[in-house]
Amino acid sequence: DQQVKQNSPSLSVQEGRISILNCDYTNSMFDYFLWYKKYPAEGPTFLISISSIKDKNEDGRFTVFLNKSAKHLSLHIVPSQPGDSAVYFCAASARETSGSRLTFGEGTQLTVNP
Amino acid sequence: DSGVTQTPKHLITATGQRVTLRCSPRSGDLSVYWYQQSLDQGLQFLIQYYNGEERAKGNILERFSAQQFPDLHSELNLSSLELGDSALYFCASSVGWGGPYTEAFFGQGTRLTVV
Repeated sequence: DQQVKQNSPSLSVQEGRISILNCDYTNSMFDYFLWYKKYPAEGPTFLISISSIKDKNEDGRFTVFLNKSAKHLSLHIVPSQPGDSAVYFCAASARETSGSRLTFGEGTQLTVNP
Repeated sequence: DSGVTQTPKHLITATGQRVTLRCSPRSGDLSVYWYQQSLDQGLQFLIQYYNGEERAKGNILERFSAQQFPDLHSELNLSSLELGDSALYFCASSVGWGGPYTEAFFGQGTRLTVV
């Protein structure tokens, strides 16, 4: 049961253009969403997050949008740079009584071409 | 550098064997999480420890076990290894025990290859 899905395994964009990465979830108990970026041979690095009480969060070139009714979130990168080329993971968490866990999507490989 | 240290970086072992993966969390972090990433898959949550106590458990196989020691480092023990256990194993840490607004910081991972 894949509760967080990233339907696009890969995305290729030109430098300077917008990159839009999408993520869908099924568990209505999720109330916090995160994006992680991963370079080869490195661990995932936290990028940006959003709580379910918001519909948008912005940090520099990165903006995350949340549509709760559609159970959909997206990450916008503007303008895209070659250094943004990496695998991007969407993750979600829900309130638990004693612990915490992140549920990850399968990842999207973003390639930004110079 | 996230501050989370995992050793070893690579491990090759035979089926049926037992291995131990080690993780040192960031300074000040009390929670340690273990995740498994198989080929072309997302990260799958295995288990969380907070200050030495198990706090959350995912789909961790019975052949796998973990613990967190008084100095807060953690070990993941994998036994009776099978070919399908070949994966990247990530450790992450965070300050608190969790709640929904927790950003975890990941180590570089241990690549386990079972032959």
